[in-house]
Amino acid sequence: DAEITQSPRHKITETGRQVTLACHQTWNHNNMFWYRQDLGHGLRLIHYSYGVQDTNKGEVSDGYSVSRSNTEDLPLTLESAASSQTSVYFCASSGGTYQETQYFGPGTRLLVL
Amino acid sequence: AQKVTQAQTEISVVEKEDVTLDCVYETRDTTYYLFWYKQPPSGELVFLIRRNSFDEQNEISGRYSWNFQKSTSSFNFTITASQVVDSAVYFCALRSGNTPLVFGKGTRLSVIA
Repeated sequence: DAEITQSPRHKITETGRQVTLACHQTWNHNNMFWYRQDLGHGLRLIHYSYGVQDTNKGEVSDGYSVSRSNTEDLPLTLESAASSQTSVYFCASSGGTYQETQYFGPGTRLLVL
Repeated sequence: AQKVTQAQTEISVVEKEDVTLDCVYETRDTTYYLFWYKQPPSGELVFLIRRNSFDEQNEISGRYSWNFQKSTSSFNFTITASQVVDSAVYFCALRSGNTPLVFGKGTRLSVIA
């Protein structure tokens, strides 16, 4: 069955370290998204991509970067982790047209000490 | 700009009661899509429904029903005869144009046995 996976599921890191969260989908979806979820803020968009080599900034992109070298993967990199980036991160994907439903991965819980 | 407001932060009901979760949206587009997602205590985000702006028919799926009213820019979600398993955070979301999903901040529903 097609799916969307995230790894690792849990991560503890130290302030200043570079961290990469992986997202992999097997639906062959063009669109991929990264969100963070924090209490009181709901889901906020970090970065998104509408296809290979395409990336766009979302609402809370500072301190994060993404690259899209193939259809299946959109890794999220925290260049220099900060305690404010402690959060739950969700990856999502959807088909090529904007009415398509976004399906979410299981989430990655990141703790920055 | 698109915006989704879920004014109810938390709701608590006794099992078997009916409960309605409110969602009000803002968009200048005439074509748009509305979504509801459920996030149970386990943390994953589960897609519940998608509705386009041209279809104002109410939708019923078992104990779940949705009321879409363009006149009031609302897309409310009702659970009939609530059960403990309905306890979750529920998110309403909007997508229009070529923009990613915009989420409300969510409503935490607690169903007490």
